[in-house]
Amino acid sequence: GAVVSQHPSWVICKSGTSVKIECRSLDFQATTMFWYRQFPKQSLMLMATSNEGSKATYEQGVEKDKFLINHASLTLSTLTVTSAHPEDSSFYICSASGEGDHNEQFFGPGTRLTVL
Amino acid sequence: GQNIDQPTEMTATEGAIVQINCTYQTSGFNGLFWYQQHAGEAPTFLSYNVLDGLEEKGRFSSFLSRSKGYSYLLLKELQMKDSASYLCAVLDSNYQLIWGAGTKLIIKP
Repeated sequence: GAVVSQHPSWVICKSGTSVKIECRSLDFQATTMFWYRQFPKQSLMLMATSNEGSKATYEQGVEKDKFLINHASLTLSTLTVTSAHPEDSSFYICSASGEGDHNEQFFGPGTRLTVL
Repeated sequence: GQNIDQPTEMTATEGAIVQINCTYQTSGFNGLFWYQQHAGEAPTFLSYNVLDGLEEKGRFSSFLSRSKGYSYLLLKELQMKDSASYLCAVLDSNYQLIWGAGTKLIIKP
């Protein structure tokens, strides 16, 4: 149990375009979903926390108008990178909590975004 | 501020034992997690400690001392597939997960 999927696994796009990443909890209802970004050889950086049906809470320094998060249901959250630029190239990982006994987060496989 | 410290990199030999330490200073404490992350993949949950003491799970054990703000992950009978980064994370008083930078473990034959 506690499986989280993410789609797409990797995406290459041109500068200025928008990219949508989906995160789904497949076998449980996720009360909270998290979006992280990870640059090579660095630790996870939390971008935002979202609860179903409410606005996401963004971490300091993360532009909410650039990284749009929608958490429409207890099993789906989306991250849209708007007007992507090469510096947005990174590994984006979502996680979900609500299944475990200890508020542990279960991670999706990640999406590698390359902006040309 | 909130801070989690763990060594950047460690090297160990296949079949041996290795201990990865983690010290933390956070606003409140609601548990400490260890995650494993292979290169290019997302983290996977290894263990959770909220009370002092040792939790054993197969080849992996995790220890916590709340008074010292200290935890360690112990890996026994190391296998090549254990080469990965190991992330320490603490759940603070707001139930927000504070992440360490991770320890890259290199296993040599």
